[in-house]
Amino acid sequence: ETGVTQTPRHLVMGMTNKKSLKCEQHLGHNAMYWYKQSAKKPLELMFVYNFKEQTENNSVPSRFSPECPNSSHLFLHLHTLQPEDSALYLCASSQDRVSYEQYFGPGTRLTVT
Amino acid sequence: QQPVQSPQAVILREGEDAVINCSSSKALYSVHWYRQKHGEAPVFLMILLKGGEQKGHDKISASFNEKKQQSSLYLTASQLSYSGTYFCGTFSNFGNEKLTFGTGTRLTIIP
Repeated sequence: ETGVTQTPRHLVMGMTNKKSLKCEQHLGHNAMYWYKQSAKKPLELMFVYNFKEQTENNSVPSRFSPECPNSSHLFLHLHTLQPEDSALYLCASSQDRVSYEQYFGPGTRLTVT
Repeated sequence: QQPVQSPQAVILREGEDAVINCSSSKALYSVHWYRQKHGEAPVFLMILLKGGEQKGHDKISASFNEKKQQSSLYLTASQLSYSGTYFCGTFSNFGNEKLTFGTGTRLTIIP
């Protein structure tokens, strides 16, 4: 497996459910990111991890909880979401935080009912 | 504040040229360009760093004018495979981890 993988690719959940999104990168990168992509909106950075340490929380509601157990894995734990949280959630990684290109995973299409 | 991209959408015939602009209200350290095809992940195209450089590969090139705080992406002799949404992302200063993306420019190439 190469690049950045995400599972599941599609997820439908109710507002009272708890679910987790998983991201894995096989590139040996040190930084990992969660982005939210909604229709007709720019990519919104949610969280940044660098060497497993969270370095950015872009005012994301607490119903989204990230976890980075090691440099290769990143999770996004979801609970009591709202319908407006329905979006494409993209994971990305880069060699470092600033000057290197980011490699994106295919995303998880989340629908909150 | 997110960078502003123009135009929002453009339709071209195969072989025509396109220019996509990205402007920021902040001083910039670097500009990144990505392309996202429908239903796929964004794919990195190039980074331009402070210093006013130009870059290119194949028939896609870009320039960065740090004084004007803007970058332009040039697509020459467009091919069908160039269709997609193009995003610029900007870092406002070195050490700022937040890559802020523009709203995107949808490019459609028709035969």
